[in-house]
Amino acid sequence: RKEVEQDPGPFNVPEGATVAFNCTYSNSASQSFFWYRQDCRKEPKLLMSVYSSGNEDGRFTAQLNRASQYISLLIRDSKLSDSATYLCVVNPTSGTYKYIFGTGTRLKVLA
Amino acid sequence: ETGVTQSPTHLIKTRGQQVTLRCSSQSGHNTVSWYQQALGQGPQFIFQYYREEENGRGNFPPRFSGLQFPNYSSELNVNALELDDSALYLCASSTGQAVGGYTFGSGTRLTVV
Repeated sequence: RKEVEQDPGPFNVPEGATVAFNCTYSNSASQSFFWYRQDCRKEPKLLMSVYSSGNEDGRFTAQLNRASQYISLLIRDSKLSDSATYLCVVNPTSGTYKYIFGTGTRLKVLA
Repeated sequence: ETGVTQSPTHLIKTRGQQVTLRCSSQSGHNTVSWYQQALGQGPQFIFQYYREEENGRGNFPPRFSGLQFPNYSSELNVNALELDDSALYLCASSTGQAVGGYTFGSGTRLTVV
């Protein structure tokens, strides 16, 4: 089983739609969780951290479910500019603070 | 506050050659992590340096090596290049545990022919 797994997509959604991505992780002791956004041929950029209580940033909501070992990202009112690859990132408690990235989920928002 | 800068941006090398990639950390950051991202994949952890010492290594062979300098800038060296080494190499700087997430440089795209 991969340490971090994501559905690669692509998810093609119309503008204004709500879309959700899930990501599962294998290490139950993992401590930190993030969603990154990566545009084509660019570097990943931090979108948001994911907290146990859930957190929201504008149209984006992230949730963590420790019991089932998954995190989710919900995007409401999708914009064309949301088209990108969304990377799920987990920081296991290995002591090296290395971040484990999923393969990413591609989102294409259609006009 | 300057961000993370990487050089060169693009590079073409021949199989068997050696390459050095460079990274300047964001001001105030003492930790540098290097990642390899093949096309269509997520970034894979190569290694991390903290205050000039290697602080963890991923599943990469010894021909991938690194250095961190007193000013916290860093180098990634790859010897005996193979075709599969073609990828985007990303450098990320952070402070210690990076509780706020990484800041990545724009990467070096290496093509091995």
